[in-house]
This record gives sequence, structure tokens and C-alpha cells, in this order.
Amino acid sequence: EDQVTQSPEALRLQEGESSSLNCSYTVSGLRGLFWYRQDPGKGPEFLFTLYSAGEEKEKERLKATLTKKESFLHITAPKPEDSATYLCAVQAWRETSGSRLTFGEGTQLTVNP
Amino acid sequence: GAVVSQHPSWVICKSGTSVKIECRSLDFQATTMFWYRQFPKQSLMLMATSNEGSKATYEQGVEKDKFLINHASLTLSTLTVTSAHPEDSSFYICSAQRGGPSGLDTQYFGPGTRLTVL
Repeated sequence: EDQVTQSPEALRLQEGESSSLNCSYTVSGLRGLFWYRQDPGKGPEFLFTLYSAGEEKEKERLKATLTKKESFLHITAPKPEDSATYLCAVQAWRETSGSRLTFGEGTQLTVNP
Repeated sequence: GAVVSQHPSWVICKSGTSVKIECRSLDFQATTMFWYRQFPKQSLMLMATSNEGSKATYEQGVEKDKFLINHASLTLSTLTVTSAHPEDSSFYICSAQRGGPSGLDTQYFGPGTRLTVL
């Protein structure tokens, strides 16, 4: 069974205080790992897809990296508008269930001004 | 872009009535759409996978007769909650799958529908 564990559950940062969110996964036949951002009362917003170990992607203050066992979402000099829940999900092809996503529980990030 | 819309954004209904939620991919065609349910402070729970032109595949524990899914076209899927009860109150989110490089599909999510059953 595919498993995704995110840590920490919640993280409070001061504006400008860089940090990292962790996503550990156990999956057979990983096709891709996804990061989403979710604001309260809204649907998840797509951020990144990572396909293979060693891959890195950046978008503004966010940088996602991938190893064979985990992914990190690095946030550099965060701003209050970066406050949200960040979700990690893995995708693996299964004969019975297609290319479904398995989500972690998310990390709730709060950035104080 | 990859924009997915949902309608309505919120709905309040009486117990025993049926509610239909629409999910549309606005700028791409999606042969596969997904329906999720999300409880407060929890992650997304997959309810069913909807494939255009065929019957939906439901996750274990999800009642197919209660949550009717119709994927009528490559841009539209609907979820009908039949005979809704207060325990069906939740945040329902759809996603549409779009093919990408290396054959990897990315799910793009709608804004969600807040259902409250009185």
C-alpha cells in the first residue's frame, strides 16, 4: 500500500525565516510526486511535479527536491501570503486503480509578519 | 493554464433532497476526472474516478447509489448526492487529469463545493 507522511503537521515562521517541509513516501513504481498548496475553503493549487530522484524545481520562493525516499519543499524568505496548507501526493500506476494520487496529511504553514 | 471550475461553490439543502455538483475543465479535455471529499483539518479522500463514456469507479466504502457520477463529455463530470443527510455535509472537490511530459498525468483541482444538509 502506498504511504505518504508529511512533517511537521504545523509550522510557524517569522517573515523571512527560511525552512523546509518534508514528505516521506513508500510506493512501488513511483511515476511522480506532486506538491500542491491549499488555502482555507479552496481546492488545491498545483505547484510542482517531480519525476525522478535528484530532480529539483523552483517557483518564486519555493524549491522542491526529490530523493528515492522523500521530497523537500524549501521555502526561502517566506512572506505572510505563503501561509497555507502544503500537500504532497504520489502517483503510481496500478492495474486496478489507474493513476490515482495518494495524499499526505499536509503541513499547515503560518508566516507571521 | 489548466483551469477547473465547480458549480455551485456552496449549497444548503434540506435532508432528503438531491444535490448536483458540476465540474468542468475549461481549457483542456479530460478523459479522467476525480471526486474527493475533505473534512475539516483533514486531507483529501478520494471518492471515485470518473472516466468519460464509462461507469465511474468507486473507492471502498463509498455508496455508488448515493453518490451518482456522470462523465458526460471530455470537459464535464457531475456528482449527484441523492437523498442527502446531515452526515453528507462536507467539502467536495473535483479534479481533472491532464496529460503531461513523459506520459505523466497531472490532476488540476476545482475550487470545491461546500455542501450543508440541514
